[in-house]
Amino acid sequence: DAGVIQSPRHEVTEMGQEVTLRCKPISGHNSLFWYRQTMMRGLELLIYFNNNVPIDDSGMPEDRFSAKMPNASFSTLKIQPSEPRDSAVYFCASSLLAGAYEQYFGPGTRLTVT
Amino acid sequence: AQSVAQPEDQVNVAEGNPLTVKCTYSVSGNPYLFWYVQYPNRGLQFLLKYITGDNLVKGSYGFEAEFNKSQTSFHLKKPSALVSDSALYFCAVTLSPDSGGGADGLTFGKGTHLIIQP
Repeated sequence: DAGVIQSPRHEVTEMGQEVTLRCKPISGHNSLFWYRQTMMRGLELLIYFNNNVPIDDSGMPEDRFSAKMPNASFSTLKIQPSEPRDSAVYFCASSLLAGAYEQYFGPGTRLTVT
Repeated sequence: AQSVAQPEDQVNVAEGNPLTVKCTYSVSGNPYLFWYVQYPNRGLQFLLKYITGDNLVKGSYGFEAEFNKSQTSFHLKKPSALVSDSALYFCAVTLSPDSGGGADGLTFGKGTHLIIQP
């Protein structure tokens, strides 16, 4: 298995632009998670899905952030408009199910907003 | 609400010595506990987990962790450190199904930098 796949690996964009991050979870996994990692705030859970349905989006910072999971093999995290404070590494992870099962993380997308 | 505390930002250990990375947790019921490791410019990798049963859990790369319910702790240990163990370590918690959880995400601690000196 290829593991969790994220694209792009690096993204540099200007303030105000729309950014879309993509994730392909491990085949057969039913839960998908989006995290953000910064030096100041550490690792934060933004949103997670069970069976393609958003369960908890309380970690999404504000309305500029949105996430979708149209099918079991694809998810997007969109920021519109982007701001410099959104600069971070964004990780996608998947697991068989949320809870007892370990999560497998992708390599992350390093986002820089200038 | 659940939380995880990793009281040490950094732990320094000489190669060959035993290491301990501390973690305490807070949940309103029985916990499921996890340790992950992150190498530079990589995603997190699963090391081990406590679900139920034996309080001493063994995981990858010779690591183990001991669940202590009375102290609400889940410290990560290794008998003999290697330079290659140097990385960022995260403890995480979620609520067990028998306490009303089971379909939730993980709450991570802020991480501890482990530095193994040759």
